[in-house]
Amino acid sequence: QKEVEQNSGPLSVPEGAIASLNCTYSDRGSQSFFWYRQYSGKSPELIMFIYSNGDKEDGRFTAQLNKASQYVSLLIRDSQPSDSATYLCAVKRSNYQLIWGAGTKLIIKP
Amino acid sequence: GAVVSQHPSWVICKSGTSVKIECRSLDFQATTMFWYRQFPKQSLMLMATSNEGSKATYEQGVEKDKFLINHASLTLSTLTVTSAHPEDSSFYICSARESGRVLTYEQYFGPGTRLTVT
Repeated sequence: QKEVEQNSGPLSVPEGAIASLNCTYSDRGSQSFFWYRQYSGKSPELIMFIYSNGDKEDGRFTAQLNKASQYVSLLIRDSQPSDSATYLCAVKRSNYQLIWGAGTKLIIKP
Repeated sequence: GAVVSQHPSWVICKSGTSVKIECRSLDFQATTMFWYRQFPKQSLMLMATSNEGSKATYEQGVEKDKFLINHASLTLSTLTVTSAHPEDSSFYICSARESGRVLTYEQYFGPGTRLTVT
């Protein structure tokens, strides 16, 4: 079992709809979770991080964490074509290292 | 703020030669830097964790004698790919964690270096 799992997609969502990205992790003791966006040929950029159970909202983005079920999700409201990218879920390991999921490719169709 | 640069952004080298990639934190000090490798359509793979003034910690399966890491200052870490072969062709990305920020785990990423070995 991989430490961090994501559906590779592609996930196709119409423009203006809500895109829902999911991630599960195996280490029940994990405390910190991150969502990064990566455009093709570019390095990742941080979208959101979440430490506490529940929802965290930042603009069109909402991160959701459920430690009991060991999953973290990212919702993108009012999806735009510019949101088309690969979304990487990462979980903090000790020594500040991040464990990465394989990423979900998101395609927003105009 | 929190800008990380990498140089070069892309490099082509011949098989058997060595290539050095630089990672600099431009407006902050970074005690810890990370080196990743990413093959096409795959996720980031952590190669090593670089701590200023000490030896790097390599992930399992990464050859320390092939991928030399030097973190000589709080703003510069270098990765040297020695005796490069075509299978080393990849996208190499560094990230840095700002010193002194104990309560944050954010890593700031460089733009990456595309290495092609012919």
